[in-house]
Amino acid sequence: EDQVTQSPEALRLQEGESSSLNCSYTVSGLRGLFWYRQDPGKGPEFLFTLYSAGEEKEKERLKATLTKKESFLHITAPKPEDSATYLCAVNPNSGYALNFGKGTSLLVTP
Amino acid sequence: EAQVTQNPRYLITVTGKKLTVTCSQNMNHEYMSWYRQDPGLGLRQIYYSMNVEVTDKGDVPEGYKVSRKEKRNFPLILESPSPNQTSLYFCASSPRVSRDTEAFFGQGTRLTVV
Repeated sequence: EDQVTQSPEALRLQEGESSSLNCSYTVSGLRGLFWYRQDPGKGPEFLFTLYSAGEEKEKERLKATLTKKESFLHITAPKPEDSATYLCAVNPNSGYALNFGKGTSLLVTP
Repeated sequence: EAQVTQNPRYLITVTGKKLTVTCSQNMNHEYMSWYRQDPGLGLRQIYYSMNVEVTDKGDVPEGYKVSRKEKRNFPLILESPSPNQTSLYFCASSPRVSRDTEAFFGQGTRLTVV
């Protein structure tokens, strides 16, 4: 069965304190891995898509990487406005569903 | 502006009273889907549609119906709502069902069934 596990569930950082969020996955074959950001009461907002091991993508203070078993979302020198829930999702080869992890709730304090 | 629009944003209803949540996208996307989001459970797919008149069940389809008569619209129907369907619902669309497409989400519908 396809599974997506995100850790930690919650993370509190001071402004400027870099860290990483983890998404480990078990799928029969990976069509794509997606990272989303979700603010309270709003729909998820797309950040990155990764397709194959070794791939990396960057956007401002965020950098996503992918291995055969997991993906990391690295946050460099975060700011309070980076506070949100970050969701990881996989699109397996076996179907058309998007399987989401439960998310990591990030709080960045000044 | 490219967007996915859901209505209503908030809804309180009583058990057994049929309701429909509408979803419309203006991006000519082929793929549309519905999710529910519950604390501790994350986002779970209810139904999806790969194109007009093509729909299929997701992970939690019980108690829901959908239809896709037009490309832009994908309504979610609860024939006889129950309290366990109280949740935050999201509609999403993607350009096509392939490896390089991300999903665009609506703003959500918070449903309470009493």
